[in-house]
Amino acid sequence: GNSVTQMEGPVTLSEEAFLTINCTYTATGYPSLFWYVQYPGEGLQLLLKATKADDKGSNKGFEATYRKETTSFHLEKGSVQVSDSAVYFCALSDRGNQGGKLIFGQGTELSVKP
Amino acid sequence: NAGVTQTPKFQVLKTGQSMTLQCAQDMNHNSMYWYRQDPGMGLRLIYYSASEGTTDKGEVPNGYNVSRLNKREFSLRLESAAPSQTSVYFCASDQGLKNEKLFFGSGTQLSVL
Repeated sequence: GNSVTQMEGPVTLSEEAFLTINCTYTATGYPSLFWYVQYPGEGLQLLLKATKADDKGSNKGFEATYRKETTSFHLEKGSVQVSDSAVYFCALSDRGNQGGKLIFGQGTELSVKP
Repeated sequence: NAGVTQTPKFQVLKTGQSMTLQCAQDMNHNSMYWYRQDPGMGLRLIYYSASEGTTDKGEVPNGYNVSRLNKREFSLRLESAAPSQTSVYFCASDQGLKNEKLFFGSGTQLSVL
């Protein structure tokens, strides 16, 4: 079945460091890929998405490129801030337009120190 | 802008008690979902409703029931709570399209003693 695997956390970085959170997936067909972020005490919210191979999603300085050849969708940011401290979830959707579900990875906690 | 509203925010139950988690969305979305979040396991889908009048099991449905009361509301019921159901529960909604984002509620933290 379809699945998403993320690197384990927690990840602790100093402010302005470079961030990479690895995400790989297993899916049949052509899924869409997402990164969601969860700030403390809140629900998840969409950070970025990519809907086909070689697409790059970007938002708030974060980027991720849909790599079909390596089945990956790694999240990157060039210079993290304390306010980026959160839990990050990679997810895939393989549904058509009749509804369905997202499949989430286990989440990676990021802590950024001043 | 209310979005997805869940109640209650916190709940403590004793083993064997029952309760219903309520969820409502005001975005006219077709699809609604219940997830549970456990440390190291991410979000796992309990049940979902692709459209009003339909419900389907997700990855971890045992011990739960759901009701899609109308297009706005989707409730989750625990008939006989067990300690293994201690978790954070999230309701979410969207139009059910492949590339569309989910909108999440702020969660219910449930402890079963």
